[in-house]
Amino acid sequence: EIILTQSPATLPVSPGERATLSCRASQSVRSYLAWYQQKPGQAPRLLIYGASNRATGIPARFSGSGSGTDFTLTISSLQSEDFAVYYCQQCSDWPRITFGQGTRLEI
Amino acid sequence: QVQLVESGGGVVQSGRSLRLSCAASGFSFSRNAMHWVRQAPGQGLEWVAVISVDGRDYHYTDSVKGRFTIARDNSKSTLYLQMNSLRDEDTAVYYCARDTSASANYYFDFWGQGTLVTVSS
Repeated sequence: EIILTQSPATLPVSPGERATLSCRASQSVRSYLAWYQQKPGQAPRLLIYGASNRATGIPARFSGSGSGTDFTLTISSLQSEDFAVYYCQQCSDWPRITFGQGTRLEI
Repeated sequence: QVQLVESGGGVVQSGRSLRLSCAASGFSFSRNAMHWVRQAPGQGLEWVAVISVDGRDYHYTDSVKGRFTIARDNSKSTLYLQMNSLRDEDTAVYYCARDTSASANYYFDFWGQGTLVTVSS
């Protein structure tokens, strides 16, 4: 099983700041990585797939990068609605799909 | 607009069964692979199962193999998850999720609101 380790677990930030979230895989997942945002009481929302492709309707302030084992989600200028938990997910080793444990963005 | 509405959750005793349903609308249901993903209370996400567009191919996470069965009825635009021999560790919110592709590339672009399954011993 491929283990995804997200860091930090919690990231204190302020509106307008830049946020950088990390996801490291225990072995290469090539570019088969996605990022999801989840707000309390809501279902996850797909942000990025294929490591760097924004999903439909996702604002340009969200960007993804990386390949192999190291990936980054960057939110260029935080809005109040961006405070949530973010998960990375790999699908390189299908059907053994795994998620990271999440990074919480908080004020 | 795409909508996925789960139902069938509830409180069930350990060892018993439950069937979840997910009613889809707003897209051509038969053109996307479909998944179940779960989230234990206060925990992260765990992929559970996938089914192909025609229902003939499916895969499960190891912890549910032999106990859970995923199925779909394209004529009713509905996805199912039959859960047997339930265990305490199956307690979670269960989400149905649409794959971005017919061929199951395991990216999930639409999710239902989830249905809570609580297994009590």
